[in-house]
Amino acid sequence: ETGVTQTPRHLVMGMTNKKSLKCEQHLGHNAMYWYKQSAKKPLELMFVYNFKEQTENNSVPSRFSPECPNSSHLFLHLHTLQPEDSALYLCASSQDEARESPLHFGNGTRLTVT
Amino acid sequence: GQQLNQSPQSMFIQEGEDVSMNCTSSSIFNTWLWYKQDPGEGPVLLIALYKAGELTSNGRLTAQFGITRKDSFLNISASIPSDVGIYFCAGQSSGGYQKVTFGTGTKLQVIP
Repeated sequence: ETGVTQTPRHLVMGMTNKKSLKCEQHLGHNAMYWYKQSAKKPLELMFVYNFKEQTENNSVPSRFSPECPNSSHLFLHLHTLQPEDSALYLCASSQDEARESPLHFGNGTRLTVT
Repeated sequence: GQQLNQSPQSMFIQEGEDVSMNCTSSSIFNTWLWYKQDPGEGPVLLIALYKAGELTSNGRLTAQFGITRKDSFLNISASIPSDVGIYFCAGQSSGGYQKVTFGTGTKLQVIP
């Protein structure tokens, strides 16, 4: 049982739909992250939240909108996505963003945009 | 930006064989991490290395933090079928989260 839980595991959406990805961490960490994983590419950092405050937006298009209501929950709101946005979206958490603290990942949401 | 060269990209090995994979970078890292990702799952941390020259084991896995701080290797001894998956290295600079760079992965397949 992973300490980082993501829902849904799979999502298929049209380009005009609005959907949200959810992440919850049970590790008592204070930093949470969204990563995008595409085939044959390194993991791409999208957003970082530390103590609920967004501290990093890695030039992500505005059709991706993150929300972090508390240090245990993280959302990624999706609207008017493109087919090239199809990927595995991974949530991660860590203890302290200021120190070298390993990332702990969830199992991801496999997103397909049609 | 920083890039990690991870090799090999993929490998087929016979069950019982030892495996070695490595990552190199043109930049210095303060931490090296090795993750494994099974199909349909997220990456799971295998080993974290925090000091240059450090050699750390986790069961049949052994990893080393290169003395130059620009490379790391992961060895798996006596491979078994459940070792199948994609192995990622990651280098972390000072400053924490935003300085984590991931390799492109080594896909390991074990032939029973």
